[in-house]
Amino acid sequence: GAVVSQHPSWVICKSGTSVKIECRSLDFQATTMFWYRQFPKQSLMLMATSNEGSKATYEQGVEKDKFLINHASLTLSTLTVTSAHPEDSSFYICSASRSGSPTGELFFGEGSRLTVL
Amino acid sequence: QKEVEQDPGPLSVPEGAIVSLNCTYSNSAFQYFMWYRQYSRKGPELLMYTYSSGNKEDGRFTAQVDKSSKYISLFIRDSQPSDSATYLCAMSAFDSSASKIIFGSGTRLSIRP
Repeated sequence: GAVVSQHPSWVICKSGTSVKIECRSLDFQATTMFWYRQFPKQSLMLMATSNEGSKATYEQGVEKDKFLINHASLTLSTLTVTSAHPEDSSFYICSASRSGSPTGELFFGEGSRLTVL
Repeated sequence: QKEVEQDPGPLSVPEGAIVSLNCTYSNSAFQYFMWYRQYSRKGPELLMYTYSSGNKEDGRFTAQVDKSSKYISLFIRDSQPSDSATYLCAMSAFDSSASKIIFGSGTRLSIRP
């Protein structure tokens, strides 16, 4: 199957700092990547859709100035949590859909656990 | 009412048992149905993918879709301790955008040796 790599797998930062999380598709090109947030024992909540070469599409209630998404190439999308606060602590997961794959065949990264002190 | 309902469990069964995991949904437009497995502190991985109604088998795993009842199931035969994980159902309507996928809350499964 396709491989999606996410880095870092965990990060601890101080309140007020910014944290960048990378999502890479290693063996395929992904024109679209997705960013999710997952709280303990809860499902994946889609935050935004990242489109290569254009602005990300954010879901309702997600602050675009808080969660900056950049999709600079066909294999890399980044999520930057700006001015992080303890309530931003969560598990962030990216996924990518390979061109030509049927709808729903998403490949997920390993996730990044963010802890804001 | 949530679009996708899934019992969070936890579900604990002995090794070798047949496991049945289920989801119900309310949107009759859903056409694509998926099951993902998520180990603790890891991202989900796609297990099964089906389109419309019917059954699909892959090794010890069988996915069933009953669109008339808006009910999908995942069966695991000869369950193993390595099957212990959270299983997420997911579904979407006929739409080329994967951003429209709706996930269930996940069922935590534990297989006892």
